[in-house]
Amino acid sequence: GENVEQHPSTLSVQEGDSAVIKCTYSDSASNYFPWYKQELGKRPQLIIDIRSNVGEKKDQRIAVTLNKTAKHFSLHITETQPEDSAVYFCAARTGTASKLTFGTGTRLQVTL
Amino acid sequence: DTAVSQTPKYLVTQMGNDKSIKCEQNLGHDTMYWYKQDSKKFLKIMFSYNNKELIINETVPNRFSPKSPDKAHLNLHINSLELGDSAVYFCASSPGIYNSPLHFGNGTRLTVT
Repeated sequence: GENVEQHPSTLSVQEGDSAVIKCTYSDSASNYFPWYKQELGKRPQLIIDIRSNVGEKKDQRIAVTLNKTAKHFSLHITETQPEDSAVYFCAARTGTASKLTFGTGTRLQVTL
Repeated sequence: DTAVSQTPKYLVTQMGNDKSIKCEQNLGHDTMYWYKQDSKKFLKIMFSYNNKELIINETVPNRFSPKSPDKAHLNLHINSLELGDSAVYFCASSPGIYNSPLHFGNGTRLTVT
């Protein structure tokens, strides 16, 4: 089955700096890659996603890049703010069923 | 006007008991899921239903039994609860099998003592 690895497990940046979280996946048939943000005690919420026919996607301060050849994708957050502090999960979908396999999560802390 | 609602929010029970968690979505989605998030925050899929039909059944003990009476509801029944079942259980839905953005419920924190 699909295996998704995510790094780093924790990331601390100063407000205004950029943050990058990286994920690799194992199944070359995976075709959909969402990112979720989970604040403490809350539910995971979709923040951005990318499909395998696209190399990059941006939404304001958030961008995701996909390298299908290397089987990795990354989340970039620019001009970080304290409210960006949360756990971020990458995920990959493969197969004919809508099964999302999640990475292990990255705890991002944005300090003042 | 919660899109995916689960009840109860907290569930504290003793080992050996049987409990159920209910989930309802008002998004008109065809596909619903149960995910388990353990103390290390790992999110793992347990089950998925599409239009009341079971389509994903991960390696989950058969003490866990999902039931989908209609496509807007997916319940989870757990028999003979064990300490290791303590976790947060998230229900989620998506428009369909091939259209994957998941909308999560607020989770049910299950504590088995």
